[in-house]
Amino acid sequence: DIQMTQSPASLSASLGETVTIECRASEDIYNGLAWYQQKPGKSPQLLIYNANSLHTGVPSRFSGSGSGTQYSLKINSLQSEDVASYFCQQYYDYPFTFGSGTKLEIK
Amino acid sequence: QVQLKESGPGLVQPSRTLSLTCTVSGFSLTSYGVSWVRQPPGKGLEWIAAIWSGGSTDYNSALKSRLSISRDTSKSQVLLKMNSLQTEDTAMYFCARGYGVMDAWGQGASVTVSS
Repeated sequence: DIQMTQSPASLSASLGETVTIECRASEDIYNGLAWYQQKPGKSPQLLIYNANSLHTGVPSRFSGSGSGTQYSLKINSLQSEDVASYFCQQYYDYPFTFGSGTKLEIK
Repeated sequence: QVQLKESGPGLVQPSRTLSLTCTVSGFSLTSYGVSWVRQPPGKGLEWIAAIWSGGSTDYNSALKSRLSISRDTSKSQVLLKMNSLQTEDTAMYFCARGYGVMDAWGQGASVTVSS
């Protein structure tokens, strides 16, 4: 199975700041990577697919980048509604696997 | 409007079989695949199984011997069965549209394995 190592596990930032979450795959996943946002008590919601494509309706302050085994999610101009956990997921190979998540809080 | 809704028993005894139903609306099961993902309390996400738009299936190899996924297109439902349940199967079970990229999710069905 492809292992997804996500960092940091938790993150605290101020409103208006820019934050970056990293995800490393145990082998090349050829941009087969998605990012999801999960607010407390809710189901995950797709943010980014194909490593850098913004899902419909997702604010442009979210962006994804990377290639090979290294990927990142950047959130510009942090808003209060961005408080959530964020998960990366590879879909290059079965079984699809997720990172362990990053919990984002506002300082 | 795309919607998915999970339904299930809530509480299951150890060693018994879990049956979950995902009822979808706003799209056709013959055009989109559906996946199941679970999340133990306070933990991360685990992909369990998927059924493609053509009806073929894929399973997480770690759980494959215990799983069965099927669908009833006339009812717009995807069914997941998991046998030999243990306490570590206690989790929120989500169904989602798609089998790689999951672009719409249900609210989840809470499953507790306990005697």
